[in-house]
Amino acid sequence: AQTVTQSQPEMSVQEAETVTLSCTYDTSESDYYLFWYKQPPSRQMILVIRQEAYKQQNATENRFSVNFQKAAKSFSLKISDSQLGDAAMYFCAFLPGGGSQGNLIFGKGTKLSVKP
Amino acid sequence: GAVVSQHPSRVICKSGTSVKIECRSLDFQATTMFWYRQFPKQSLMLMATSNEGSKATYEQGVEKDKFLINHASLTLSTLTVTSAHPEDSSFYICSAGRYHSSYNEQFFGPGTRLTVL
Repeated sequence: AQTVTQSQPEMSVQEAETVTLSCTYDTSESDYYLFWYKQPPSRQMILVIRQEAYKQQNATENRFSVNFQKAAKSFSLKISDSQLGDAAMYFCAFLPGGGSQGNLIFGKGTKLSVKP
Repeated sequence: GAVVSQHPSRVICKSGTSVKIECRSLDFQATTMFWYRQFPKQSLMLMATSNEGSKATYEQGVEKDKFLINHASLTLSTLTVTSAHPEDSSFYICSAGRYHSSYNEQFFGPGTRLTVL
């Protein structure tokens, strides 16, 4: 069975600084997708970034980028120039290969605080 | 695009009553809808997956007779919590799947907070 591990229950960053959230996963599949979701206090789940396992290039979305290490089964999220609005729970998620038939598997989350 | 709504956003009910939560995909047709439960400060736990016109697939440990799911159309799924008890109090989130490239991308609703007195 696939598992997703987020080893940092809480993280803190100074406004305008950079922070990296860790995520590791376990799977025997070679085809899968990885996601980072943000859940602010409103509790609306927001997709931050996605990575296809077959792509070697790390995904980037504005201030958000990932470091995808397929062999190490690691998928960290880097937030640059942190803003107060980045404060939220961040969930790493894994979607098994053949995507259309699989279900998202979530990590336990990392609570990010941003200090002004 | 890809907006998912949930109604109601909050509901308080008495123990023993039933509560229905609606999940709608507003601007796309969702072949699959998902229901999650989230306890405070915890992650999302998948309860069931439903496909339009067929019976829902429940995750292990989820009582199908307590959590009735109906997916009557490509834009509407409902979750009915039957004979609710205080331990059913939780935050319920639905998502709707839309095929994107080679996978079923999920779009999440804003959630429903259920409190059972």
